[in-house]
Amino acid sequence: DQQVKQNSPSLSVQEGRISILNCDYTNSMFDYFLWYKKYPAEGPTFLISISSIKDKNEDGRFTVFLNKSAKHLSLHIVPSQPGDSAVYFCAASRNNAGNMLTFGGGTRLMVKP
Amino acid sequence: DAEITQSPRHKITETGRQVTLACHQTWNHNNMFWYRQDLGHGLRLIHYSYGVQDTNKGEVSDGYSVSRSNTEDLPLTLESAASSQTSVYFCASTNPEGTQYFGPGTRLTVL
Repeated sequence: DQQVKQNSPSLSVQEGRISILNCDYTNSMFDYFLWYKKYPAEGPTFLISISSIKDKNEDGRFTVFLNKSAKHLSLHIVPSQPGDSAVYFCAASRNNAGNMLTFGGGTRLMVKP
Repeated sequence: DAEITQSPRHKITETGRQVTLACHQTWNHNNMFWYRQDLGHGLRLIHYSYGVQDTNKGEVSDGYSVSRSNTEDLPLTLESAASSQTSVYFCASTNPEGTQYFGPGTRLTVL
């Protein structure tokens, strides 16, 4: 039973537009959420995180929104750039003290020039 | 610069062989993890360690073992490699704030 789900395996967006990647979770004990970006033949790279005490965290072009009641988080990339084309994983943990992460299956984002 | 490395980057082995994948980090992080990535499954946790001499099983630990004799290294051993263990393996370590940083991965093929 997957506790973290990314229901869209792929997403295609035009350069300059907004990319919205979604993630749902089922375990209400999760209280720390992260997004990772992965290029082929490389390890995942940390992108942005959010604690359950917040509903929004912003870092440059990247914003993560958390809706605890819906157990849903999303990553917004504005404006999207071709270099953003990668696989994005959301992950969740029960606290931010180094506990194990549970990952979603990933969404492949393609940003077209 | 501090970093996390994995070796080898690519490995081909035969069914039944013992294989060890190396992971080394220079951040002095206590928490280290091994994952495998398979299509449609994302990253699944194999084993993890919260410090020297500490090891714990993850979601998909059958057929794998780890040891932690020092802070920097967490080698992953496949006792008797099986074709189902063909995968890409990632090692990670966690900073005190809880963010995991990943190595570049090892692509393992079991024939």
